[in-house]
Amino acid sequence: SAVISQKPSRDICQRGTSLTIQCQVDSQVTMMFWYRQQPGQSLTLIATANQGSEATYESGFVIDKFPISRPNLTFSTLTVSNMSPEDSSIYLCSVVFSGLGQPQHFGDGTRLSIL
Amino acid sequence: AQSVTQLGSHVSVSEGALVLLRCNYSSSVPPYLFWYVQYPNQGLQLLLKYTTGATLVKGINGFEAEFKKSETSFHLTKPSAHMSDAAEYFCAVSEGGGSNYQLIWGAGTKLIIKP
Repeated sequence: SAVISQKPSRDICQRGTSLTIQCQVDSQVTMMFWYRQQPGQSLTLIATANQGSEATYESGFVIDKFPISRPNLTFSTLTVSNMSPEDSSIYLCSVVFSGLGQPQHFGDGTRLSIL
Repeated sequence: AQSVTQLGSHVSVSEGALVLLRCNYSSSVPPYLFWYVQYPNQGLQLLLKYTTGATLVKGINGFEAEFKKSETSFHLTKPSAHMSDAAEYFCAVSEGGGSNYQLIWGAGTKLIIKP
């Protein structure tokens, strides 16, 4: 099965700063997604990362706060901008290979704490 | 609108006892259904999936689930719980016909294993 590498695995950041999270897959994928998982909660979809074009954001998430890039079929980044303590969460990258009914596969996540 | 309901935010069983985690969904189209497990400080791992065909699906680590269309359920079971099964379990259903690969997530059930 594919290897999904997410970096960094965890970080502690200062209020007002920005952090870029990377997601690298060892084979080409059809879809890449970014999720937020707040402590003790389920997953909330932030956006679908589209290759070579702007990401598709879910309600409540905006590009200025969560800019996303996907330059090719194996790599994507999520930036959390101007961070506040409310951004403390786990951020997860997931990927899907082509074919109906294919599951999402997840990286190990980035555990982010904002002071 | 599609939804997923997991009954019980916490389920506690004794080691060696039957594990039953409940998942009910609503969907206007034939669904694809998934169970994932999340161990502490890790991402989500696919346990099993139902797409078409046999309604009883077997997954990893001795887990299985049965798709019951009449009951709109996809409950997860394991005959004998191990301490290593302690984790958070998420049920998910494909959005729409599954063509955009997005998932609707349940709230999760934390499985606690008593020695």
